[in-house]
Amino acid sequence: GENVEQHPSTLSVQEGDSAVIKCTYSDSASNYFPWYKQELGKGPQLIIDIRSNVGEKKDQRIAVTLNKTAKHFSLHITETQPEDSAVYFCAASRGYGGSQGNLIFGKGTKLSVKP
Amino acid sequence: DAGVIQSPRHEVTEMGQEVTLRCKPISGHDYLFWYRQTMMRGLELLIYFNNNVPIDDSGMPEDRFSAKMPNASFSTLKIQPSEPRDSAVYFCASSFGGLAYNEQFFGPGTRLTVL
Repeated sequence: GENVEQHPSTLSVQEGDSAVIKCTYSDSASNYFPWYKQELGKGPQLIIDIRSNVGEKKDQRIAVTLNKTAKHFSLHITETQPEDSAVYFCAASRGYGGSQGNLIFGKGTKLSVKP
Repeated sequence: DAGVIQSPRHEVTEMGQEVTLRCKPISGHDYLFWYRQTMMRGLELLIYFNNNVPIDDSGMPEDRFSAKMPNASFSTLKIQPSEPRDSAVYFCASSFGGLAYNEQFFGPGTRLTVL
């Protein structure tokens, strides 16, 4: 089955700096890669996603890149702000219904943005 | 919309006791997912329902765990008897359409502690 590795497990940056979180996946059939943000005491919330037919996607200060050949994808946050502090999860799936379409999550990255 | 509602938010019980976690999905959503989150194993899918019918319960750890969805607006996850290793945060999520492309909306979770 699919296995998703996420690094680093913790990341501390100064406000205004960039943060990068990387994930690798094992199932070459995976074609959908969402990123979730989990704030303290809350459930994960989708912040951005990418499908395998594109290499990069941006949404304001957040961008995701995908390298299908190397089977890795990354989350980039620019101009970090204290409110970006949270745990971020990457996930991968084959993108269709049934058990093969389930989201497989990485272990998470705790991002701390220092003012 | 109030989002996905879970109760209780915190549950402390003693080993051997029965525990019931409750979830109300977002109105109109036809898929419901139960996840468990621990430091060691991260976010794991336990079971999911489509139109109140269990579709995949391969993630349910053992027979002590059971889940029901008697109607479109209510689901329960029951652990009987509970064990200390069941201590975790349990999330319920719902979506409209079961494809992984469709955003899953997570509830705030139930933090379970089994003494």
